[in-house]
Amino acid sequence: DAGVIQSPRHEVTEMGQEVTLRCKPISGHDYLFWYRQTMMRGLELLIYFNNNVPIDDSGMPEDRFSAKMPNASFSTLKIQPSEPRDSAVYFCASRASPGGWGQYFGPGTRLTVT
Amino acid sequence: DQQVKQNSPSLSVQEGRISILNCDYTNSMFDYFLWYKKYPAEGPTFLISISSIKDKNEDGRFTVFLNKSAKHLSLHIVPSQPGDSAVYFCAATFSGSARQLTFGSGTQLTVLP
Repeated sequence: DAGVIQSPRHEVTEMGQEVTLRCKPISGHDYLFWYRQTMMRGLELLIYFNNNVPIDDSGMPEDRFSAKMPNASFSTLKIQPSEPRDSAVYFCASRASPGGWGQYFGPGTRLTVT
Repeated sequence: DQQVKQNSPSLSVQEGRISILNCDYTNSMFDYFLWYKKYPAEGPTFLISISSIKDKNEDGRFTVFLNKSAKHLSLHIVPSQPGDSAVYFCAATFSGSARQLTFGSGTQLTVLP
């Protein structure tokens, strides 16, 4: 199994530009999570999906952030317009139910907004 | 409001000795706890977990202890190896949360050769 796949691994963009982060969960996993890691706030949950349906987006910082999951094997997190304070590492994770409660994380996308 | 706290941002231990990483939580509804390990430029990887019906779970060199009355858990690594050097995150969840994970801020473990 290839694990959770994220792209790009690194993204550098200018303030005001649109950024799209991509995630492919592990095949058969029905939960998908987007996290953001910063020095100040650690690992924080942004949004999660169950069977492609967004369940809880209360962690999304503001309307500039949006996430979609058009099918079971693909999800995107979009930031439009991007701001320097969005600079962070964004992780995607997935898990299967029933099963253990551990989530499997992708390698992350390091976003830098200048 | 941090529901899961790791008060030690860093820990250094000599190779072969025991590493003890600590975690405190405030939400009494948490009933399942996990430890993740993270290397630089990689995503966190699941290490070990424990249900609230237990007070100890062991997997090789790794043991997690849970003290529910104190709302405290710890991860013991014996013996510590240089390859264990990483950031360790404590996480907690409960059934009413749809099993979302709440993470601590992490502890950087450095095992010195």
